[in-house]
Amino acid sequence: DIQMTQSPSSLSASVGDRVTITCRASQSISSHLNWYQQKPGKAPRLLIYASSSLQGGVSSRFSGSGSGTDFALTISSLQPEDFATYYCQQTYSTPNTFGQGTKLEIK
Amino acid sequence: QITLKESGPTLVKPTQTLTLTCTFSGFSLSTTEVGVGWIRQPPGKALEWLALIYWDDDKRYSPSLKSRVTISKDTSKNQVVLTMTNMDPVDTATYYCAHKGGSGFISWFDPWGQGTLVTVSS
Repeated sequence: DIQMTQSPSSLSASVGDRVTITCRASQSISSHLNWYQQKPGKAPRLLIYASSSLQGGVSSRFSGSGSGTDFALTISSLQPEDFATYYCQQTYSTPNTFGQGTKLEIK
Repeated sequence: QITLKESGPTLVKPTQTLTLTCTFSGFSLSTTEVGVGWIRQPPGKALEWLALIYWDDDKRYSPSLKSRVTISKDTSKNQVVLTMTNMDPVDTATYYCAHKGGSGFISWFDPWGQGTLVTVSS
């Protein structure tokens, strides 16, 4: 299995901050990396697919980058509704493993 | 509009077999490149990919669970079924099904069902 490692595991930030969450794959996965947002008690929601493509209906303050083994999700200006847990997922090979999650909390 | 909903028991006993059904609408599992996956999440923990079935009946499983998990589809009923044998308390989790979009390596899960919490306890 390809292991996905996110950092940090948790992050405190303020409304208006720019934040970056990183995800590292245990081997090269080209650009086959998705990002999801999950709020408490809710199903995950797709934000970014193929490393940098914004899913329809997702705010442009979310952006993704990276290829190979290192990837990043950036939120340009945090809004109150962005405080959630974020997961990366690789789709290079099955099982399409997820990272352990990054919990974004209000400072 | 694509929707999915999981159904099945909320409580199972250790060693029993779990059967979950994902009933979906808004797409057909006979359409090329379409798939449905199962993902679970233990309370307070991360997402775990379990299995995926494609439009052509190709099936993929998590190696760690492959001996216990079976995925199948009923295209006429718009349903995908997940069975997991020999349930253990560590299998307590919210189980989600999700629509696989995209093509080839460029794929994603969107949307997801609301999830169903399954507790394993005697």
